Amino acid sequence: EPEVTQTPSHQVTQMGQEVILRCVPISNHLYFYWYRQILGQKVEFLVSFYNNEISEKSEIFDDQFSVERPDGSNFTLKIRSTKLEDSAMYFCASSRQGMNTEAFFGQGTRLTVV
Amino acid sequence: DQQVKQNSPSLSVQEGRISILNCDYTNSMFDYFLWYKKYPAEGPTFLISISSIKDKNEDGRFTVFLNKSAKHLSLHIVPSQPGDSAVYFCAAGEVMRGADGLTFGKGTHLIIQP
Repeated sequence: EPEVTQTPSHQVTQMGQEVILRCVPISNHLYFYWYRQILGQKVEFLVSFYNNEISEKSEIFDDQFSVERPDGSNFTLKIRSTKLEDSAMYFCASSRQGMNTEAFFGQGTRLTVV
Repeated sequence: DQQVKQNSPSLSVQEGRISILNCDYTNSMFDYFLWYKKYPAEGPTFLISISSIKDKNEDGRFTVFLNKSAKHLSLHIVPSQPGDSAVYFCAAGEVMRGADGLTFGKGTHLIIQP
């Protein structure tokens, strides 16, 4: 069964460093998303990406964040200068037709900023 | 601002009985609702969805009911099985907003007692 894969599963970084979280969405999906879940809190939408551009982003997705689809298979989330409060589980998701179909989530990357 | 609310952080149900998970929403623009299940160290997995043109959708042991006037939906699992123990997230979105992200509730931890 096709699945969304994320690497690494756990990333520890020093405050102020840049991190890149990687995702391989399901191959025939057209919509890509990043969500995050801070420990003990709800899953929060960060950004959606369609047709090689950002479709929608939340207030959380400020100038420190960027997304890229560098090739036909990868979808990345970059955090330029990490802060302690960026520590969270980051989930990548993809869907075939946007809101009309369910999004499939990856297993997540646990980002720990120290 | 909690547009999607799951007021029960946890729920304990005996194996074989019915589990009922509740979700309320405040945004009247939401017209598509989903339930996701999440095991520890894994990403959310899609369970079942319902659009606002319906008031019930059934898939095997899982049934979702939507009461639009009350802005309330519920997920029924019957009979409950030990493998159903997980965190269940209610999520909502607007179909016409295409690639926009989902708004999640905080989740309900369902524990199935043997």
